[in-house]
Amino acid sequence: NAGVTQTPKFQVLKTGQSMTLQCAQDMNHEYMSWYRQDPGMGLRLIHYSVGAGITDQGEVPNGYNVSRSTTEDFPLRLLSAAPSQTSVYFCASSYNRMSNTEAFFGQGTRLTVV
Amino acid sequence: KQEVTQIPAALSVPEGENLVLNCSFTDSAIYNLQWFRQDPGKGLTSLLLIQSSQREQTSGRLNASLDKSSGRSTLYIAASQPGDSATYLCAGAAQGGSEKLVFGKGTKLTVNP
Repeated sequence: NAGVTQTPKFQVLKTGQSMTLQCAQDMNHEYMSWYRQDPGMGLRLIHYSVGAGITDQGEVPNGYNVSRSTTEDFPLRLLSAAPSQTSVYFCASSYNRMSNTEAFFGQGTRLTVV
Repeated sequence: KQEVTQIPAALSVPEGENLVLNCSFTDSAIYNLQWFRQDPGKGLTSLLLIQSSQREQTSGRLNASLDKSSGRSTLYIAASQPGDSATYLCAGAAQGGSEKLVFGKGTKLTVNP
């Protein structure tokens, strides 16, 4: 029972490098989201998707891109990494709003940009 | 804009004590509210979801309540144990969807043996 799987678990990037954080869910959830967690700031929404081919911005979208080509996958791309993007990133998924159900989270990716 | 506040930021109690964690929100249009547990260096584990039509939910020693009119939710933990030590987060969802949760900053709970 995999749930929400994030890879990698840890990553160190140099400033200016790009990378993709992977997120996959096997629960056939329509909704998927990306959050970042910073000390003293709590979790903040970066981007979200309500279905394949549909994405939208959250509270802190700058510097990140997303796409949703399949129901299962929702990768987060850092275009040109900056030290301010050092954070722990969490992916979440849930059924659609008609079902009014809970969100499930992955184990997180700890990213350090030097 | 919805804002979620959790008080206290940290709490230390002796084993066996009953305790209450508080969560307040600014927009009463909140649709559902979810409580999570986070252990150090780990992801979020869902504890309880209070749906829009509900006022409380129970799971084992945990009971969560939601009062939209006062903008408050509480998480009650009965007979606390050292294994309950973790950070507890509450998150609100608007319009019924859990794709855009607004989180509080959490309460770090320590239960001392």
